[in-house]
Amino acid sequence: SQQGEEDPQALSIQEGENATMNCSYKTSINNLQWYRQNSGRGLVHLILIRSNEREKHSGRLRVTLDTSKKSSSLLITASRAADTASYFCATAWGGSEKLVFGKGTKLTVNP
Amino acid sequence: DAGVIQSPRHEVTEMGQEVTLRCKPISGHDYLFWYRQTMMRGLELLIYFNNNVPIDDSGMPEDRFSAKMPNASFSTLKIQPSEPRDSAVYFCASSFWRGPARFGPGTRLLVL
Repeated sequence: SQQGEEDPQALSIQEGENATMNCSYKTSINNLQWYRQNSGRGLVHLILIRSNEREKHSGRLRVTLDTSKKSSSLLITASRAADTASYFCATAWGGSEKLVFGKGTKLTVNP
Repeated sequence: DAGVIQSPRHEVTEMGQEVTLRCKPISGHDYLFWYRQTMMRGLELLIYFNNNVPIDDSGMPEDRFSAKMPNASFSTLKIQPSEPRDSAVYFCASSFWRGPARFGPGTRLLVL
């Protein structure tokens, strides 16, 4: 069964706008990771946030983690057409390295 | 590094044939994952290894699927016999403990 679930399933915005995607999960986690997948390509790792962290930044990306609500969000600021892709969250929990992915958010950034 | 290497990149085969997918993980990574991606089911974890030992194969769909990791630099996923419903993109990924997973480019499998 899916551990993480992204929301929304699809998001369409204009270039320059911010995009926010959310991920909810079910059990306590070791860390939560966000990935990007361009159409027909492999997954690219974006950010890993550990369970004891609340916020992390990487360039135009900001990830937050709320373990009390079992949720995370990925914010892409000043979006570009090149950000068009599917974005996935993935979690590992317990003492395991079993990394399970959600179904993703398909982001379209219109020029 | 060269990243995770997968071969072949594309495979077209007929139902009933044996299919072998190959993966070379990133040197130094001690975890290796096999995933399958379809439109209907998304990205499914099939099996993962730690130090060449299978840890969790609960995602392997049935006995037709098998995976091996004979050494730290090579893994195979075999489907025998293949069926049309096995058509998907198969990804291999590797990582170190509690680290980010690095994905290969995938093998696009079509079973006719």
